[in-house]
Amino acid sequence: DQQVKQNSPSLSVQEGRISILNCDYTNSMFDYFLWYKKYPAEGPTFLISISSIKDKNEDGRFTVFLNKSAKHLSLHIVPSQPGDSAVYFCAASQGGSEKLVFGKGTKLTVNP
Amino acid sequence: DAGVIQSPRHEVTEMGQEVTLRCKPISGHNSLFWYRQTMMRGLELLIYFNNNVPIDDSGMPEDRFSAKMPNASFSTLKIQPSEPRDSAVYFCASRRQVRTEAFFGQGTRLTVV
Repeated sequence: DQQVKQNSPSLSVQEGRISILNCDYTNSMFDYFLWYKKYPAEGPTFLISISSIKDKNEDGRFTVFLNKSAKHLSLHIVPSQPGDSAVYFCAASQGGSEKLVFGKGTKLTVNP
Repeated sequence: DAGVIQSPRHEVTEMGQEVTLRCKPISGHNSLFWYRQTMMRGLELLIYFNNNVPIDDSGMPEDRFSAKMPNASFSTLKIQPSEPRDSAVYFCASRRQVRTEAFFGQGTRLTVV
């Protein structure tokens, strides 16, 4: 039972344009969400997070949007750069639980 | 801070052999997670500990898998006996507390032949 779903296995965008990565979740008790980036042969690294009390969080070129009613979040990267090419994972946790559940990931390719 | 340290980085073993993966979490982090990455399942949570106590092992695929955390600075994931379908990258991660990010190690690439 996949509680966190990333339905697009891959995404390709041109350098300088916007990249939008999507994530859906099924557990309405999730209240903290994170995005991670992973390069080949490395561990995932934290990118940005958002609490359910917010609907938007920005950090430089990265913005995460949360739509609680739709159980949907998205990561926007503007402008996209070739160095952003990586696999992006969405993750979620619930209340006071330490448990962190990940989606399957979306491979982003930014073409020069 | 050295980050989460996993060993070995690569492991090749024959089917039926015992495999032990090791992890040293970041000092001061209360939670430790073991994940397995495969193409089919993405990052799959196997088990996690809080304050060295196993909290949820529902992701452990079979009894062949076991994990221990004897103290706050060390954890092992053991597969006995190993099978070719266990081939994957195994990640360890640690987290200071809830509603914070988890930090991952570099992973162990396991190949069972």
